[in-house]
Amino acid sequence: LAKTTQPISMDSYEGQEVNITCSHNNIATNDYITWYQQFPSQGPRFIIQGYKTKVTNEVASLFIPADRKSSTLSLPRVSLSDTAVYYCLVGEEGGSYIPTFGRGTSLIVHP
Amino acid sequence: SAVISQKPSRDICQRGTSLTIQCQVDSQVTMMFWYRQQPGQSLTLIATANQGSEATYESGFVIDKFPISRPNLTFSTLTVSNMSPEDSSIYLCSVALGRTNTEAFFGQGTRLTVV
Repeated sequence: LAKTTQPISMDSYEGQEVNITCSHNNIATNDYITWYQQFPSQGPRFIIQGYKTKVTNEVASLFIPADRKSSTLSLPRVSLSDTAVYYCLVGEEGGSYIPTFGRGTSLIVHP
Repeated sequence: SAVISQKPSRDICQRGTSLTIQCQVDSQVTMMFWYRQQPGQSLTLIATANQGSEATYESGFVIDKFPISRPNLTFSTLTVSNMSPEDSSIYLCSVALGRTNTEAFFGQGTRLTVV
């Protein structure tokens, strides 16, 4: 199972773009990269998933370089409600995958 | 997507007693997972519950302490047995969907306090 490394915490201000980078040097060929968001007193929520290059949805963008040893979650124009913990997970395609969470990045957005 | 209902949402229990947490999913799923999350910490996997077979427990978690039932493809229970204050935590039920099985959905969690 590929290990992931993220910054423990980040601070930002409303309206700024936030980029959270995750390192996964041992990522395997069949691994996907998935990001989750967790607000206090709630379960984690799936944000975005990718395999390579760039993926964008209504919430965020995910940038994955060619070597796939890292990935960057980009949150455009954050608001106070984006204050949460963000987790990067790496897992193999297939029915046997078990989501395993690392420490995550605690993002605090200031007014 | 999947909608997961978890009950109870919170409880305060006496030490030495047991609490059973229920997890109901609005669709049939093969794999269900139970996690524990202590305050300020990440999620720790307790066990994987597949329908029709015994649950698979992670290191540090045993069936006698955390018995799990999985009677069908939409329901599971986790029991926290013989509780002590160290069991105070949030317990989360999760299911994985999709072709890759890497997109997981979570219940709101059960906040357990043992006194």
